Amino acid sequence: EDQVTQSPEALRLQEGESSSLNCSYTVSGLRGLFWYRQDPGKGPEFLFTLYSAGEEKEKERLKATLTKKESFLHITAPKPEDSATYLCAVQSVSGGSYIPTFGRGTSLIVHP
Amino acid sequence: NAGVTQTPKFRILKIGQSMTLQCAQDMNHNYMYWYRQDPGMGLKLIYYSVGAGITDKGEVPNGYNVSRSTTEDFPLRLELAAPSQTSVYFCASSYSSGFNRNEKLFFGSGTQLSVL
Repeated sequence: EDQVTQSPEALRLQEGESSSLNCSYTVSGLRGLFWYRQDPGKGPEFLFTLYSAGEEKEKERLKATLTKKESFLHITAPKPEDSATYLCAVQSVSGGSYIPTFGRGTSLIVHP
Repeated sequence: NAGVTQTPKFRILKIGQSMTLQCAQDMNHNYMYWYRQDPGMGLKLIYYSVGAGITDKGEVPNGYNVSRSTTEDFPLRLELAAPSQTSVYFCASSYSSGFNRNEKLFFGSGTQLSVL
């Protein structure tokens, strides 16, 4: 059974204070790891997909990295508008249906 | 291009009532999903469909039913509402094939359901 654990559950940062969110996973065969952003009262929105260890993706102040056991979402010099819940999901090759399994998310608050 | 559309946005049910949450997508996606999200618990999969006429249970299917008669629509049915079904429900869709790795999910805006 695929498992995804995100840490920390909640993170408070000052504007400009860089940090990282962690997503550790256990899957039988990784097909893809996804990061989503969710604003209050809205559905999650796609950020990145990572497919293999060593891969990195960047978007504005966000950079996602992947190893064989975990992924990090690095936030550089965050702004208040980066406040949101960040969800990690893994898609494995088991079962053939490629259904993603989500972690519980990290709630990020960036204070001005 | 509307993406994934969910209705209603809010609903209050009494215990034992029934209702259908509607979900439609206009992206010709083959995969569709229903998730529920409880505070601090992430997204839990209720049911999913890999194409019209094909559905399967997810992690928490009890108390729910689905059907998929068309590619576009994937309604979720609650037959006898219980307080444990108070949650936010999200519908999502994606395109998946053995050769296409661009399989990110597109989510609707959610339905807030309270069962009292």
